[in-house]
Amino acid sequence: AQTVTQSQPEMSVQEAETVTLSCTYDTSESDYYLFWYKQPPSRQMILVIRQEAYKQQNATENRFSVNFQKAAKSFSLKISDSQLGDAAMYFCAYRSAEYGNKLVFGAGTILRVKS
Amino acid sequence: KAGVTQTPRYLIKTRGQQVTLSCSPISGHRSVSWYQQTPGQGLQFLFEYFSETQRNKGNFPGRFSGRQFSNSRSEMNVSTLELGDSALYLCASSLGPVIDTQYFGPGTRLTVL
Repeated sequence: AQTVTQSQPEMSVQEAETVTLSCTYDTSESDYYLFWYKQPPSRQMILVIRQEAYKQQNATENRFSVNFQKAAKSFSLKISDSQLGDAAMYFCAYRSAEYGNKLVFGAGTILRVKS
Repeated sequence: KAGVTQTPRYLIKTRGQQVTLSCSPISGHRSVSWYQQTPGQGLQFLFEYFSETQRNKGNFPGRFSGRQFSNSRSEMNVSTLELGDSALYLCASSLGPVIDTQYFGPGTRLTVL
């Protein structure tokens, strides 16, 4: 079974600075997808970024980028120029390419942004 | 395009009762998945439906069931509620069951007293 580990329960960053959230996963599959979701206090889960395992190039969405290391099974999220609105719980998630839409989530990292 | 909607948003029930939660996916989306979120267990997959068929099921007791209608709307039912069923229940939709990204609804907060 696949597992996702987020080893940082909580992180803090100063506004306008950069922060990196860590995620590692365990799988025997070669084809899969990885996601970062953000959950603000409203509890609405919002997709931040997605990475296909077959792509070597790291995904980027504006201020958000990932460092995907397939051999190390690592998938970290970098947030540049942090804003107050980035404060939320961030979840790393794994999805098999074979077994439908089941997402396996990590425990989450609370990100606090200081002004 | 309207997002995923879930009703009701909040629900209070007592032990032993049953409850039905509803999820309307984004227009055109045919796949619906359900997740339970609790402080202790985190986010856990319940089940996935596509074209009215359950494709995948998580490790939950038979008290948890679901269905999907021809218009892709989905319901999940929990019978004989237990205190531990108190959770945020999230629904997510996607175009189909393969490759596609899931988009989440705002959730239904269930409290069991």
